[in-house]
Amino acid sequence: GNSVTQMEGPVTLSEEAFLTINCTYTATGYPSLFWYVQYPGEGLQLLLKATKADDKGSNKGFEATYRKETTSFHLEKGSVQVSDSAVYFCALRETGNQFYFGTGTSLTVIP
Amino acid sequence: GAVVSQHPSRVICKSGTSVKIECRSLDFQATTMFWYRQFPKQSLMLMATSNEGSKATYEQGVEKDKFLINHASLTLSTLTVTSAHPEDSSFYICSVDGGTDTQYFGPGTRLTVL
Repeated sequence: GNSVTQMEGPVTLSEEAFLTINCTYTATGYPSLFWYVQYPGEGLQLLLKATKADDKGSNKGFEATYRKETTSFHLEKGSVQVSDSAVYFCALRETGNQFYFGTGTSLTVIP
Repeated sequence: GAVVSQHPSRVICKSGTSVKIECRSLDFQATTMFWYRQFPKQSLMLMATSNEGSKATYEQGVEKDKFLINHASLTLSTLTVTSAHPEDSSFYICSVDGGTDTQYFGPGTRLTVL
């Protein structure tokens, strides 16, 4: 079956630190992979996505590369800001439009 | 992307009562909406797929008589938790199907059943 495993939080970083949130997946076919972000009091928003192996999704300084050989889609950012504090969800979609989500990783960035 | 709202954002009810949660797509015609449930420190679990004008499709293990879904228009889907019990306490999230690889999410509703 399909599933997503992501790094447990919470994660606390100082401003300008490097961020990595690990995500691995299990899928029977060739899924599309996503990172969603949820700011306090708001709905999940698409941060970035990749639809095939070796694709790199990027947005707002965040990047993630679709690694089929390691079934991973780790989220990285070189220099985090306080405004990046949120919960981050890794997700996959295989057939139809059904999404499978990880458990979410809470990030707090302190000045 | 589409703006999706949910009402209420929080609700507390007594055991045995029913609670209705609304999901509105404010600027996008939503033929299909999804309802998710999220327990603390767990992932979002798809409960059902709601199709405008037809019956919802429920995921395995989700009681359709307990979680009633109505999608009567292209902008509104409702989830009614009937005869709620404390184990139904959770965070309920809806989303709008925006096409391939695209879903627009509501902010969620926190249900607490006493």
